[in-house]
Amino acid sequence: AQSVTQLDSHVSVSEGTPVLLRCNYSSSYSPSLFWYVQHPNKGLQLLLKYTSAATLVKGINGFEAEFKKSETSFHLTKPSAHMSDAAEYFCVSGGYQKVTFGTGTKLQVIP
Amino acid sequence: DTEVTQTPKHLVMGMTNKKSLKCEQHMGHRAMYWYKQKAKKPPELMFVYSYEKLSINESVPSRFSPECPNSSLLNLHLHALQPEDSALYLCASSQDSSGNFDEQFFGPGTRLTVL
Repeated sequence: AQSVTQLDSHVSVSEGTPVLLRCNYSSSYSPSLFWYVQHPNKGLQLLLKYTSAATLVKGINGFEAEFKKSETSFHLTKPSAHMSDAAEYFCVSGGYQKVTFGTGTKLQVIP
Repeated sequence: DTEVTQTPKHLVMGMTNKKSLKCEQHMGHRAMYWYKQKAKKPPELMFVYSYEKLSINESVPSRFSPECPNSSLLNLHLHALQPEDSALYLCASSQDSSGNFDEQFFGPGTRLTVL
């Protein structure tokens, strides 16, 4: 079985401060893991993906995520939040004929 | 071209209407997907086409009928919908990885309202 848990439904940070969005997964095998961002009334855009090549994954717009097998985590981070980062973020697990979305984390950036 | 396009952007239809949503990509991807997304929820997978053949149907009601005329196009035909079918419908595509879900490119979606 495959599941993804996003631990926070809402995260609020001040502009210029670090961002941490948390994701835990469970899978009977090493999954492919992704982070997507969705701005209001838009489609989803891939930020980064993990496919077992390297545990620290760098993505677009300064985001990165670290795969920690011992903690079954794939948390998304950014050193300094920008107003344009305000959006919904989804952690996603992909496997054979199966895709599992987390419930999403809404990131609010306060000026 | 790394874009997935969807038409129309918005659609309002009555419960007796027949309409179609269209999706197009020119990235040479051989897997295409339809998702339904309700407000404040993650997308829910509806259908997957792989090499123009339907490979996954997530028990979607028959009032939704997908069609893949060629490797670049994906349609979703709608008939006799219910108000609870109102949602954002997202199309996506990816390189087909023999059934493994890899990174997907999403279109902007069609906002459907059923009256």
